Amino acid sequence: QKEVEQDPGPLSVPEGAIVSLNCTYSNSAFQYFMWYRQYSRKGPELLMYTYSSGNKEDGRFTAQVDKSSKYISLFIRDSQPSDSATYLCAMRGNQFYFGTGTSLTVIP
Amino acid sequence: GAVVSQHPSRVICKSGTSVKIECRSLDFQATTMFWYRQFPKKSLMLMATSNEGSKATYEQGVEKDKFLINHASLTLSTLTVTSAHPEDSSFYICSARELIDLTSGETQYFGPGTRLLVL
Repeated sequence: QKEVEQDPGPLSVPEGAIVSLNCTYSNSAFQYFMWYRQYSRKGPELLMYTYSSGNKEDGRFTAQVDKSSKYISLFIRDSQPSDSATYLCAMRGNQFYFGTGTSLTVIP
Repeated sequence: GAVVSQHPSRVICKSGTSVKIECRSLDFQATTMFWYRQFPKKSLMLMATSNEGSKATYEQGVEKDKFLINHASLTLSTLTVTSAHPEDSSFYICSARELIDLTSGETQYFGPGTRLLVL
């Protein structure tokens, strides 16, 4: 079983839709959770980081961690074409583990 | 957030030559940097962990004599691809680890990546 599982998509939504991106993990020792956005041919950019369980909101983005289910989510409200990118989840125990990324396209 | 730069952004070289890629943390000190390789539509593959002032730790299957890593200062790590071959063509990304705060712990900030094409 992989440490981190993420559906690669691709995911296509119309502009203005609410997007839900998810990852599951197997190691209950993970405490720090991150979401990165990666545009084509660019390095990943840190979007959100969360410690332990709970929600964190930043503008149109909300990160949610459910440690009991070993499940994390990133919600994007009022999605824009500029949100089209690959979204990587990441988490840290003794080392960093990354999901494979979900490719998102927001259609104008 | 913290800024990490990489140079060059793109390089084309002949087979058999060596290529050096630089990774710099611009506004913070990074005792640890990471080097990743990414294939098209694939996730990041950790190659090695670069520690300032000591030898790098390589992941299983990564040839340390082929991918030389030097972390001479708290703001600079270099990756040298020696005797490059076409199969080394890839997107190489570095990252630097920074302490965010006591609650959020550490995270990684990534450079923009270097696209290497070996002819």
